[in-house]
Amino acid sequence: EAGVAQSPRYKIIEKRQSVAFWCNPISGHATLYWYQQILGQGPKLLIQFQNNGVVDDSQLPKDRFSAERLKGVDSTLKIQPAKLEDSAVYLCASSLGETNEKLFFGSGTQLSVL
Amino acid sequence: QKEVEQDPGPLSVPEGAIVSLNCTYSNSAFQYFMWYRQYSRKGPELLMYTYSSGNKEDGRFTAQVDKSSKYISLFIRDSQPSDSATYLCAVFSGGYNKLIFGAGTRLAVHP
Repeated sequence: EAGVAQSPRYKIIEKRQSVAFWCNPISGHATLYWYQQILGQGPKLLIQFQNNGVVDDSQLPKDRFSAERLKGVDSTLKIQPAKLEDSAVYLCASSLGETNEKLFFGSGTQLSVL
Repeated sequence: QKEVEQDPGPLSVPEGAIVSLNCTYSNSAFQYFMWYRQYSRKGPELLMYTYSSGNKEDGRFTAQVDKSSKYISLFIRDSQPSDSATYLCAVFSGGYNKLIFGAGTRLAVHP
């Protein structure tokens, strides 16, 4: 079974630039999540999709972050404009059902904002 | 107060040692308790999953939950260099439908 695919693996940008991350979840998984993991911290949920609808985006900084999940499969997360404090690993995860106690994570995209 | 508290370490032990990793949580509504292992430059992977108080064993790993004191532990017996990773505890409540992670404990097992 193929895992969660993410790209790119690394990205370096300057502050105020924009950046986008892509995620392809495990086939058949209805729920998709984007997490932000700052160095030395645990992952923090940014947004959760159930199929192509948003379930929880309460911790997404909506003035600069946006996300979409097209046709209930792939998803993109965008940051525009980026700030220094956005430097982190952005993890995509998926789960089979509606509840998210068992998540499968991708390897993440490491973002450095200079 | 953070919802999940975890000592970040780092923890360095010799090969073969017994390792004890611990977390505390604040909300008694949490029903599910998990341990994820995260290797460097990789995403977390689910290691142990428990629902209630008590012990759950899987090979060299034992997860322990004490809901009365809101304390969760992971024990690793006969630790190996391949166990070197960051261990993240996580809690989940069906009511919140959100997985909340601790900060992670970095473990190094040296030969």
